[in-house]
Amino acid sequence: DTGVSQDPRHKITKRGQNVTFRCDPISEHNRLYWYRQTLGQGPEFLTYFQNEAQLEKSRLLSDRFSAERPKGSFSTLEIQCTEQGDSAMYLCASSLEVGYTEAFFGQGTRLTVV
Amino acid sequence: DQQVKQNSPSLSVQEGRISILNCDYTNSMFDYFLWYKKYPAEGPTFLISISSIKDKNEDGRFTVFLNKSAKHLSLHIVPSQPGDSAVYFCAASDVGGAQKLVFGQGTRLTINP
Repeated sequence: DTGVSQDPRHKITKRGQNVTFRCDPISEHNRLYWYRQTLGQGPEFLTYFQNEAQLEKSRLLSDRFSAERPKGSFSTLEIQCTEQGDSAMYLCASSLEVGYTEAFFGQGTRLTVV
Repeated sequence: DQQVKQNSPSLSVQEGRISILNCDYTNSMFDYFLWYKKYPAEGPTFLISISSIKDKNEDGRFTVFLNKSAKHLSLHIVPSQPGDSAVYFCAASDVGGAQKLVFGQGTRLTINP
């Protein structure tokens, strides 16, 4: 396993368009997380899944954002009607469920809304 | 409300010397702390972690110290190497695992030859 994989690495879109990102976690990890990172800040939690269930969503995740993990494997994060403020690095991470365990991050998707 | 703070945006250290990165937190419910390293255009890479039942954890050149009474943790890198130049983030969780990590703003470490 090569780790957490995210696609695409970069996305430039016009304001008002919809975008979708994909994340493939480490295969044995049943927890999957989405974070957003803006310039000069640390990553901020958006949402997480345990298997296919979305267990928690941050208040940062507005109604324009939706995340899915339909079969408990890969996940998608969709942003509808993008705004310039959505420009950020979107990071996906995964971990095992049990105990004090670290999250492993993918390389991220850099979104630029013009 | 910044629950995890890294007050030094940058740190410059001579190769071979000790690098000490600091992190303060405000939430007394945090019980798990992690350090990540990030290179430009890459995702964060896990370095080392510590649970609140310990006050020290060591892994090779990296040691994390936790002072619960002061709500402070630090990462020591000895000896510092040029490849250690990166942005370092501390993160904390109050749910006993890796979910809902709260990150600091990061400290850019530069190792000078």
